[in-house]
Amino acid sequence: GAVVSQHPSRVICKSGTSVKIECRSLDFQATTMFWYRQFPKKSLMLMATSNEGSKATYEQGVEKDKFLINHASLTLSTLTVTSAHPEDSSFYICSARDRHLQYEQFFGPGTRLTVL
Amino acid sequence: AQTVTQSQPEMSVQEAETVTLSCTYDTSESDYYLFWYKQPPSRQMILVIRQEAYKQQNATENRFSVNFQKAAKSFSLKISDSQLGDAAMYFCAYRRGSNFGNEKLTFGTGTRLTIIP
Repeated sequence: GAVVSQHPSRVICKSGTSVKIECRSLDFQATTMFWYRQFPKKSLMLMATSNEGSKATYEQGVEKDKFLINHASLTLSTLTVTSAHPEDSSFYICSARDRHLQYEQFFGPGTRLTVL
Repeated sequence: AQTVTQSQPEMSVQEAETVTLSCTYDTSESDYYLFWYKQPPSRQMILVIRQEAYKQQNATENRFSVNFQKAAKSFSLKISDSQLGDAAMYFCAYRRGSNFGNEKLTFGTGTRLTIIP
């Protein structure tokens, strides 16, 4: 149980286009989802926290107009990278917290974004 | 703000031997959780072990155990009988205790563990 999926696993796009990444909790309801960015050989950097039905809370330095987060249901959150540039190329990871297991956080397998 | 420090960027251990990864943290909170996560080459984050701050007993999960020193704010991970599959990046993480569920994890910089056959 407690599986989080991400789609797509890899995406390559042209500079200036927008890319949407989906994060789904497959067998539990996630009241809270988190989006991270990870650079090679580095730690996870939290980008934003989203609660179902509410606006996302962004970390300092993260452009909310560039990284649009929607958490429309208890099992789905999306991250849209708008007007992507090569510097947005990175590994994006989502995680979800089960509403009944407040201390546990389950991670998706990540999405590799490459912007040409 | 809470900080998590992992002072060992890289560690290596002979297969079947024991290795200890260090982690220290800084917080003024009394209610919190500490975690060790493993990130293998697949990049999937896997929870290794969890410790609640209010528990004095050190957490254990099979070959993995922690040495939780609350006063010293230290939380080390011991891996016994190291196996090739243990090779990964290990992250120590802190989370403040809360009933609301949206408290975020603060990660350390990670320790890359290599297993020598």
